[in-house]
Parts: sequence; C-alpha cells; structure tokens
Amino acid sequence: DTAVSQTPKYLVTQMGNDKSIKCEQNLGHDTMYWYKQDSKKFLKIMFSYNNKELIINETVPNRFSPKSPDKAHLNLHINSLELGDSAVYFCASSQDLGGYTNYGYTFGSGTRLTVV
Amino acid sequence: KNEVEQSPQNLTAQEGEFITINCSYSVGISALHWLQQHPGGGIVSLFMLSSGKKKHGRLIATINIQEKHSSLHITASHPRDSAVYICAVPGSARQLTFGSGTQLTVLP
Repeated sequence: DTAVSQTPKYLVTQMGNDKSIKCEQNLGHDTMYWYKQDSKKFLKIMFSYNNKELIINETVPNRFSPKSPDKAHLNLHINSLELGDSAVYFCASSQDLGGYTNYGYTFGSGTRLTVV
Repeated sequence: KNEVEQSPQNLTAQEGEFITINCSYSVGISALHWLQQHPGGGIVSLFMLSSGKKKHGRLIATINIQEKHSSLHITASHPRDSAVYICAVPGSARQLTFGSGTQLTVLP
C-alpha cells in the first residue's frame, strides 16, 4: 500500500493553463505539506496543513492554491502556469506538526511539472 | 531563519569505503532529519534524531546539539548507496528547512 500517493507523476502543460496535483496519505497523519524542488535539486516548503487548517504559506505566488478537503488529502491547484513553475513538487505528511513523535516525514514520489 | 549547510556537495567513493557527510545549522533545534533521494527521485526519511546516535544497518547518524552539527556515516559503502543525502531541520512552524544535499556516488 502506498503511504503518500501523488498524481500525476508527470505533467507537461502549456503556459497559461491551470492544473492540479493530487495528494493522499493513508497513514492517519495530522499534517501534510507541499515542497518544491527546483532545477538545482533544492527543496523548499510551500504549504503545510494541520488537520485541514493552513499553517504555513511560504511566500508562494497566489496562483498556487492548496486545498485540503479532509486531513488525508492535500491538493495543489496552480493557475496561469508560468515557465518558472517547472519543478518537481513533493507532497509529504507527518504525525504531529513537526514529525517529532513518530518516524519523521513520509514523502510522495513527486510530480515533475514541465511548463512549455 | 535556520541556515543549513551540508558538506561535501559531491562525494565519490570506492565500494567498501567509510563515508561521512556533515551538516551544520545556525539555530538551535530539537530534532534533525536525514533523508535520502534515490536516483529515480523518491525521497525516503532515514533518521530523525534529537541527541546522540542512531544506527540502521550500515547507516549511522550522530548529532551534537550544542555544536549544532550532525553527521551521517555509511560503513562498507556499496554502489546501491549512490543517492543524494539531505539533512533537514524543523523551522519555527516546524516545516523542514533543507540543506543543499550531498550527491554520493559509490563506484564498484
């Protein structure tokens, strides 16, 4: 069973389009995150949600809108895609806000977004 | 904001060698994470540690909270250990702040 699943794995789209990436975790974790990995492989937090409540919005353009219908899902919707949005997006989850109390973080397999 | 520095950025070793990757951070924390990113892109959490040392198979992670420093060691390295190793620390709202990663290549 996949613990944190993201779809799609690859996404190629044209500039200006709107797209969504879905994330689901079956671990019963309270907190979910979106991270962006740029072309230099550097990972950076975008959003975190704890029990469906937005905790962190880390200077992300408002074209990016996370949506958490329940604590097992955190989807990422991107409007008006730009070339600079091309990156790998990782969903992750942890139990407790900091991932201290259990085994740390569990990451999805990533979504490679290419904007052309 | 916590600054996380890793060294070296790239490391090439021969199979069987002992590997050390270092991580230092600027602001005191209560736990640190070591992650592994496979060549295929997936990220796996290796360790979360708040003090002392943890061991899992051939991997050993140590942390010195007072010196704000952690190391990841790999004993008897193997080509399948080739990956990017990333250390990360929780921020003020406990989101992870990542180091830039160490690309490890182990040659047969």
